Amino acid sequence: QKEVEQNSGPLSVPEGAIASLNCTYSDRVSQSFFWYRQYSGKSPELIMSIYSNGDKEDGRFTAQLNKASQYVSLLIRDSQPSDSATYLCAGGAQGGSEKLVFGKGTKLTVNP
Amino acid sequence: GAVVSQHPSRVICKSGTSVKIECRSLDFQATTMFWYRQFPKQSLMLMATSNEGSKATYEQGVEKDKFLINHASLTLSTLTVTSAHPEDSSFYICSAGPTGRETQYFGPGTRLLVL
Repeated sequence: QKEVEQNSGPLSVPEGAIASLNCTYSDRVSQSFFWYRQYSGKSPELIMSIYSNGDKEDGRFTAQLNKASQYVSLLIRDSQPSDSATYLCAGGAQGGSEKLVFGKGTKLTVNP
Repeated sequence: GAVVSQHPSRVICKSGTSVKIECRSLDFQATTMFWYRQFPKQSLMLMATSNEGSKATYEQGVEKDKFLINHASLTLSTLTVTSAHPEDSSFYICSAGPTGRETQYFGPGTRLLVL
């Protein structure tokens, strides 16, 4: 299994809907997880971090971590066309370094 | 807070020349910084880990003599693409985070075009 896996999509949702982005990880990834958003032609931007089991909410974004299932997700409520981007899931690399292991990203399109 | 800058944002150079890209953490110190490359419509690819005061660690397949990394202070890392060729044209992005934390913040990236 790859260290961090994401469905590459593309994922298309109508404006106002909930977009659900998913990520699974292997035992080689530590227990810190991050979601980044990357607009076309731009660098990634950190939108959420999650370290504990359960949900973490920030505005329209909710990150969910399930350590037993090795699963991380990001929910975007009331999706807007401006949310259209590639979303990258990342986990900390084992070994105590600050290195992150990235999934390949899921491209989200929110249709007006 | 947690701002990372890169300079230049865009550079065009002739084949065979060298190009230096700077990555700065503006409001925190970073013992470690990371350099990535991204080709159009492809995933981020980690090139190397830049370590303050010591040698960089390169990912498999990345030529250390071609991509020189210097991390001379806790707020600055530089990547020099030596003897650049058209296939080195890409989007180069650095990331950094406060020392001891896994959270990484990305710089805005440098778009390199080698003619």
